[in-house]
Amino acid sequence: GQNIDQPTEMTATEGAIVQINCTYQTSGFNGLFWYQQHAGEAPTFLSYNVLDGLEEKGRFSSFLSRSKGYSYLLLKELQMKDSASYLCARVNTGFQKLVFGTGTRLLVSP
Amino acid sequence: EAQVTQNPRYLITVTGKKLTVTCSQNMNHEYMSWYRQDPGLGLRQIYYSMNVEATDKGDVPEGYKVSRKEKRNFPLILESPSPNQTSLYFCASSLRAGDEQFFGPGTRLTVL
Repeated sequence: GQNIDQPTEMTATEGAIVQINCTYQTSGFNGLFWYQQHAGEAPTFLSYNVLDGLEEKGRFSSFLSRSKGYSYLLLKELQMKDSASYLCARVNTGFQKLVFGTGTRLLVSP
Repeated sequence: EAQVTQNPRYLITVTGKKLTVTCSQNMNHEYMSWYRQDPGLGLRQIYYSMNVEATDKGDVPEGYKVSRKEKRNFPLILESPSPNQTSLYFCASSLRAGDEQFFGPGTRLTVL
């Protein structure tokens, strides 16, 4: 949606590290969210980046480069329960609208 | 418990029969929003509200109406539902626009 691109699907092994990338159109950009959504459930908040750099929160980290229109979500020490869709979403100028990418489905195998 | 509630959770209806999906939050949030989620298209914003009596169109508003008469409630109205409105609908709220959004459990709507 609206020039937000993320891979459709990724697979990884339990205990490994995985990086989910998200690119977006830079015009009118104010910040980037990452949400996690398990199948059949509502999205839940993971992180919010406004400034360039890496923000770490436990096993999950999120990175933003405003000039490149690029973000990634890094998941360490993967667990089976991390199998879910990961949605990146950009906040537009004025903070009124949140535009989501189509999501990346992550499958963690034993 | 702080939460966003939606009703009904599941609804099967027929073309043209007006329906309302309710959304309520108990967190005193100013900002509320409705999304629909379709396979391959992700979450798309239908309408949003910055505060009471302040609503505006999102990216896919056609065929929908909303109202925000009270801070806690933000109903989604389909005056004449059509099969292309079959979807999973989520209501969300945040303290202010641009803050982390809390999502309701979703309403799965089928229009025959």
